[in-house]
Amino acid sequence: NAGVTQTPKFQVLKTGQSMTLQCAQDMNHEYMSWYRQDPGMGLRLIHYSVGAGITDQGEVPNGYNVSRSTTEDFPLRLLSAAPSQTSVYFCASSLQGGNTEAFFGQGTRLTVV
Amino acid sequence: GNSVTQMEGPVTLSEEAFLTINCTYTATGYPSLFWYVQYPGEGLQLLLKATKADDKGSNKGFEATYRKETTSFHLEKGSVQVSDSAVYFCALRFVGNEKLTFGTGTRLTIIP
Repeated sequence: NAGVTQTPKFQVLKTGQSMTLQCAQDMNHEYMSWYRQDPGMGLRLIHYSVGAGITDQGEVPNGYNVSRSTTEDFPLRLLSAAPSQTSVYFCASSLQGGNTEAFFGQGTRLTVV
Repeated sequence: GNSVTQMEGPVTLSEEAFLTINCTYTATGYPSLFWYVQYPGEGLQLLLKATKADDKGSNKGFEATYRKETTSFHLEKGSVQVSDSAVYFCALRFVGNEKLTFGTGTRLTIIP
């Protein structure tokens, strides 16, 4: 059981480049989300999805797009990378329900130069 | 809006010391409360949770009690080990609203 798989683990981009961070889960979870982790700020929600075809914005969505065409996959797209998007990105999934455990991927460390 | 406030770090303790990491929350209603742990180079994993007032979550020697009257969920361990060195996050979540709201995290280092 792989859980939540994120790729790549590390990435360096130049300002203005675009890229897609991949996230896949094999637990048939309805809910998936993307967070960014910055020093002193904890984890902040970028976008989330409650099921295939349904996505919504979190607290820091600007500069990012998502789509959810299948239950398993939830890619995060950076449209035009900026140095402010240098961060560690985590994908998470869970069953619906406020008391259920969220499972996290191992993260993608992104540097924008 | 909802928010979680955690004890500032970093925290450095000697092995076998007693640990407390404070966590308080602000929310309308009664959320479920969680402690997640992040070991170096890894993603977050659930340490323990409590879903209603006076519930006590426990795992790996760690405990936290959901205190509605003080809106707190402090993490405790009676005797820490070097292997407990990690970043600890307090978080809340409501039924019907799937978003997790995290505190800023507390880095814990245990020295032998």
